[in-house]
Amino acid sequence: QVQLVQSGAEVKRPGSSVKVACKASGGTLSRLAFTWVRQAPGQGLEWMGGITPMFGTAKYAQKFQGRVTITADESTSTVYMEVTSLKSEDSAVYYCARDMTTWFDSWGQGTRVTVSS
Amino acid sequence: QSALTQPPSASGSPGQSVTISCTGTSSDVGSYHYVSWYQQYPGKAPKVMIYEVTKRPSGVPDRFSASKSGNTASLTVSGLQAEDEATYYCSSFAGNNNWLFGGGTNLTVL
Repeated sequence: QVQLVQSGAEVKRPGSSVKVACKASGGTLSRLAFTWVRQAPGQGLEWMGGITPMFGTAKYAQKFQGRVTITADESTSTVYMEVTSLKSEDSAVYYCARDMTTWFDSWGQGTRVTVSS
Repeated sequence: QSALTQPPSASGSPGQSVTISCTGTSSDVGSYHYVSWYQQYPGKAPKVMIYEVTKRPSGVPDRFSASKSGNTASLTVSGLQAEDEATYYCSSFAGNNNWLFGGGTNLTVL
């Protein structure tokens, strides 16, 4: 059973960047795929993008193209999601999840990112 | 692309059945057999309850069932229990490496 543990909460200034980590255990990173989903306060879920480390290529929702970068480090079994040019509207809980191709399985505990001046 | 449409709330008494709808378009729900449903408690991560329209992962009670007709998918919770009170989200593949979620339905067990 793959378990995902995410990095801690972040407080950032508008215009800065944030990089959230998602460490996987219980599986070989190269054999897994991952996705990122965010949830603004009191709002629903929003798919951001995903990566299959074995292929090294990431895919992104059109809304996040150019502002979000998803990477993977197989040596540490960690997947990263970086958001640049942060705005107050980016304040949300960010989740990583195991991408089963047709659904999302194990989820991390979530990382709260607060963007405030 | 717009989010999938779910009713904001649903309710039922213990033991009853409740059905939550999820309406998309012919470009997402109507085109793919990749609809899933997630249960989320406040402050917790989502948990998959249904995948590929009708399949239940190991450990999910068989009180949870789902179906799809045209552009609308549905989740039915039978024999409602207090622990079923949560927010439920549907999700669908929308082609071109894109996924959509519904706005969520708050299920209340009366």
